[in-house]
Amino acid sequence: AQKITQTQPGMFVQEKEAVTLDCTYDTSDPSYGLFWYKQPSSGEMIFLIYQGSYDQQNATEGRYSLNFQKARKSANLVISASQLGDSAMYFCAMRDKGTGANNLFFGTGTRLTVIP
Amino acid sequence: NAGVTQTPKFQVLKTGQSMTLQCAQDMNHEYMSWYRQDPGMGLRLIHYSVGAGITDQGEVPNGYNVSRSTTEDFPLRLLSAAPSQTSVYFCASREAGVGVYEQYFGPGTRLTVT
Repeated sequence: AQKITQTQPGMFVQEKEAVTLDCTYDTSDPSYGLFWYKQPSSGEMIFLIYQGSYDQQNATEGRYSLNFQKARKSANLVISASQLGDSAMYFCAMRDKGTGANNLFFGTGTRLTVIP
Repeated sequence: NAGVTQTPKFQVLKTGQSMTLQCAQDMNHEYMSWYRQDPGMGLRLIHYSVGAGITDQGEVPNGYNVSRSTTEDFPLRLLSAAPSQTSVYFCASREAGVGVYEQYFGPGTRLTVT
């Protein structure tokens, strides 16, 4: 069975600094994908970044990058130059054949607070 | 495009009542899903559909029914509400096809069962 672990319930970062949010996963499927979603206090789920298991390069989207270490089964999210608007819950999620039609299996989330 | 819409935004039910959470998308997506989010637990898959007339169970399907008569709509029915179903419910959709995996989420429905 698949598993996603986010060990940091809460993180603080100074504005303009970089921060890394940890995510480890477990799956027996060689074909899988890893996602990061942001959930601000308003409650909506905002897609940030995706990494496929066969992708050679680490994914990047603007200030977001994914530090994908396949051998260690980790997919950490790096946010560079933090902004006050980055304060939110962040969820790591995985899709593989076990989740049915490539639906998502979520971790428990990390609450990020950006300090001015 | 409105994207994925959900109604209602908030709902309070008494134990034993039934209701339907509505979900619609205007992106012509084949795949639609329902998730619930409980405090400290992330989102968990309830039911999903890969096209009109085709549905299947996710991780936590008990107490819920779904049907998919059109591509656009995917309602979630609570048969007999229980306090354990107090949660935030998200509907999501995505395109079919290999390599297309981003799910688009609706704004959520906050349900309280007393």
